[in-house]
Amino acid sequence: DIQLTQSPSSLAASVGDRVTITCQASHDINNYLNWYQQKPGEAPRLLIYDASNLERGVPSRFSGSGSGTDFTFIISSLQPEDIATYYCQHYINYSFTFGPGTRLEIE
Amino acid sequence: EVQLVQSGADMKKPGDSLKISCKGAGYNFPSYWIVWVRLMPGKGLEWMGCIHPGNSQTKYSPSLQGQITITADKSISTAYLQFNSLKASDTAIYYCARGKRVVTIDAFDLWGQGTMVTVSS
Repeated sequence: DIQLTQSPSSLAASVGDRVTITCQASHDINNYLNWYQQKPGEAPRLLIYDASNLERGVPSRFSGSGSGTDFTFIISSLQPEDIATYYCQHYINYSFTFGPGTRLEIE
Repeated sequence: EVQLVQSGADMKKPGDSLKISCKGAGYNFPSYWIVWVRLMPGKGLEWMGCIHPGNSQTKYSPSLQGQITITADKSISTAYLQFNSLKASDTAIYYCARGKRVVTIDAFDLWGQGTMVTVSS
């Protein structure tokens, strides 16, 4: 089974900061990786699919990159509404694994 | 409006059964996979299983196989998640979501609002 680890598990940053979250897979997963945002009390929201594709309607300050085992999610300029937990998610052959999540707070 | 609407919150006792519904609207429901994902207190998201409403093909997480049943009725655009014997550890928020693509399922692009289930004696 593929295991996903995310770093950091939590972080606090200031409005306008560049925020970077990483997701590492235990084996090569090609680009089969998505990123979700879950705000408190809300359902998750798809932000990035296939490692680097921005979902329709998602602000361009969000981006993703990577392939193989190492992936990066970036918020280029943090906004107050970005307070949330961010999850990476792997998919293959009708099996899905979420990373443990990164909790993002505003300083 | 394209949306998934779930049934309301529920409180149950250990050993009870439960069936949660997820009704799709505004899109061709039979064509897209529906997945069930849960968020347990203090934990992260967990994929539980999925179903293709068009042909009722189902897939389950190995850790939950036999504990849950996922069904769908395409005539009323509704998917279901069923528990036969709840445990306190099933306390969670349960989400349904739609697969992004018609041909396969990889990302989940449309989510229900969530159903909070509390299991307590």
